[in-house]
Amino acid sequence: DAGVIQSPRHEVTEMGQEVTLRCKPISGHDYLFWYRQTMMRGLELLIYFNNNVPIDDSGMPEDRFSAKMPNASFSTLKIQPSEPRDSAVYFCASSLGDRLFFGEGSRLTVL
Amino acid sequence: DQQVKQNSPSLSVQEGRISILNCDYTNSMFDYFLWYKKYPAEGPTFLISISSIKDKNEDGRFTVFLNKSAKHLSLHIVPSQPGDSAVYFCAASPNSGYALNFGKGTSLLVTP
Repeated sequence: DAGVIQSPRHEVTEMGQEVTLRCKPISGHDYLFWYRQTMMRGLELLIYFNNNVPIDDSGMPEDRFSAKMPNASFSTLKIQPSEPRDSAVYFCASSLGDRLFFGEGSRLTVL
Repeated sequence: DQQVKQNSPSLSVQEGRISILNCDYTNSMFDYFLWYKKYPAEGPTFLISISSIKDKNEDGRFTVFLNKSAKHLSLHIVPSQPGDSAVYFCAASPNSGYALNFGKGTSLLVTP
């Protein structure tokens, strides 16, 4: 079975540009999470959805960040405009029970 | 602000010996705890969990101990193997729900 699929794996962009990260959760999972990993803060929860509905977005750092889940098989995390401090690895995870299944991550570098 | 703390960024252990990774938490509402393992360029994968109604859970070479009064948990790996070299994240959630809070991770190196 396919796991959580994220794209792109790597993204290098310039400050001010829009960045869109994509995630396809495991089929049948009803929770989807977006995390950001940095050296300073470790793994931070940004937002999570249940049955495509955002439940808690208190971890989203600023209005520049937005996330959507238009259907059960797709979610996006958008940063507009991007800044160098947004450079990190962004993970998507999905869950049916208490364990999260993570994608391989999207490494974002903002120059 | 960090509610789950892993105070040792790294640990080095010889193959065959015990690895002990520690984790502290501050939120008394946390009642479910998990450990995830992460290899480079991969996402974290679930390793072992424990509910607050228990103080120990064992799965093969991996054992997690929970001390609720001290708000402390630890992961023991016995015997340690080179393939265990990875970053280990401690995570906690309140009311057996979601919104998992992760620590910053401990990088374990098991040397032959």
